[in-house]
Amino acid sequence: ETGVTQSPTHLIKTRGQQVTLRCSSQSGHNTVSWYQQALGQGPQFIFQYYREEENGRGNFPPRFSGLQFPNYSSELNVNALELDDSALYLCASSLDSIRSTDTQYFGPGTRLTVL
Amino acid sequence: SQQGEEDPQALSIQEGENATMNCSYKTSINNLQWYRQNSGRGLVHLILIRSNEREKHSGRLRVTLDTSKKSSSLLITASRAADTASYFCATQRTGGGADGLTFGKGTHLIIQP
Repeated sequence: ETGVTQSPTHLIKTRGQQVTLRCSSQSGHNTVSWYQQALGQGPQFIFQYYREEENGRGNFPPRFSGLQFPNYSSELNVNALELDDSALYLCASSLDSIRSTDTQYFGPGTRLTVL
Repeated sequence: SQQGEEDPQALSIQEGENATMNCSYKTSINNLQWYRQNSGRGLVHLILIRSNEREKHSGRLRVTLDTSKKSSSLLITASRAADTASYFCATQRTGGGADGLTFGKGTHLIIQP
C-alpha cells in the first residue's frame, strides 16, 4: 500500500456535466500530481500542486483544474465533460517536488466513464 | 505526449524464466522510474535510477540505464505468476521538476504457470 487514497473508485457522468475527484496524500508529502490514463495507454501528466499552488501543467485545457489543501488532500475538477475524458485518473504524492527527484506514490485511481 | 516507448508491447513467458523489457526516451533526464500496474489499477513504484547511475538492483529486479543511447532495461529474474502485469517506464526530464513524469505505453507481461 502506498498510503495514497482516492475517491470515488468508479464514476459515471454525462457529457457536459462537471466532476470532482478526490485524493488523500501521504502525510508530509507536499506535492501532488494528477495523471489521466486512457485505456491501453500510459498515464499522461495533467498538473502538479506544491504547497497548495499549481506549479506545473501538462497539455490539458483549463477545464481541468485542481485544488490542494493543507491537510494533504486534493481535488481534480473537470468541467464540461467530453466523451474523451473517460479514463482512469491517478493522483500521486511525493515529498518535495520542485526538482521532482523523489519517488511518486500513486493512489489506486478513479475510473471515470462519460456517456 | 508520450516520451518513452517500451519494447516489446507484450511478452508471454513461462514461470521461472527471466523477463526483459526495454524503454527508450527522447530528452535528457534527471531519473527514470519503472512502475507496475495490475489490471488497470494504481501504479506500484518498482525502482528509480538516477541519470548518473548505470545499474540498480532490487530483489529480483535489475535496471540498467544508458543515457548515451537514451534507453533503459528492466530485468525480472525467476518470474512468478504474480508478476503478470503491465510495466511502465517513466522519465523525469532534466530541469523539469514541475513537469511531472512522462510515461511510455507499457509492456504487458504474462507469466504462464
